[in-house]
Amino acid sequence: GAVVSQHPSWVICKSGTSVKIECRSLDFQATTMFWYRQFPKQSLMLMATSNEGSKATYEQGVEKDKFLINHASLTLSTLTVTSAHPEDSSFYICSARRRGSEAFFGQGTRLTVV
Amino acid sequence: ILNVEQSPQSLHVQEGDSTNFTCSFPSSNFYALHWYRWETAKSPEALFVMTLNGDEKKKGRISATLNTKEGYSYLYIKGSQPEDSATYLCAFKEAGGYQKVTFGTGTKLQVIP
Repeated sequence: GAVVSQHPSWVICKSGTSVKIECRSLDFQATTMFWYRQFPKQSLMLMATSNEGSKATYEQGVEKDKFLINHASLTLSTLTVTSAHPEDSSFYICSARRRGSEAFFGQGTRLTVV
Repeated sequence: ILNVEQSPQSLHVQEGDSTNFTCSFPSSNFYALHWYRWETAKSPEALFVMTLNGDEKKKGRISATLNTKEGYSYLYIKGSQPEDSATYLCAFKEAGGYQKVTFGTGTKLQVIP
């Protein structure tokens, strides 16, 4: 299957700082990338969908100014958690899809805001 | 918010036992049902994509069935092995231009040697 690399796998940051998470499709061009968030004992919740070269589509309840998504190329999407607070501590995971195919997941990022 | 439920939340089985678990999803506006296998510290791995009512898919010792009219899918593992230990996620994709995917909370399987 195709490979999606997510970096970093874990990060600890101070409250008020911003954190950037990268999602790369290593061996295919991803026309669409998805960002999910998972709270403990809950399901993966879709945060936003991004298509290369256009603005991300955010799900209801997700603050677009808080969670900045950039999909500048066909192999890279970034999620920036701005002015992070402890309640933003969570597991974030991306998936990438090329046209007409299934989506492949990254390994996820565990964010802890202290 | 769509209701996609998986049961049980977790289970422990002995090596060699067969097991199965359930994914329940809305019976309307169905497009596809995905099953994923998610090992700790790894990426979720796609197992099956099921689209037609009555579909049965098989991959080695793992198989799945689909009933779109009543809104459920079963995942079966025959002769469980320790390497089958993982969380099994289902994801419901609804029809429509956007084709949004909603995940269940997963079933965590532990196979005891």
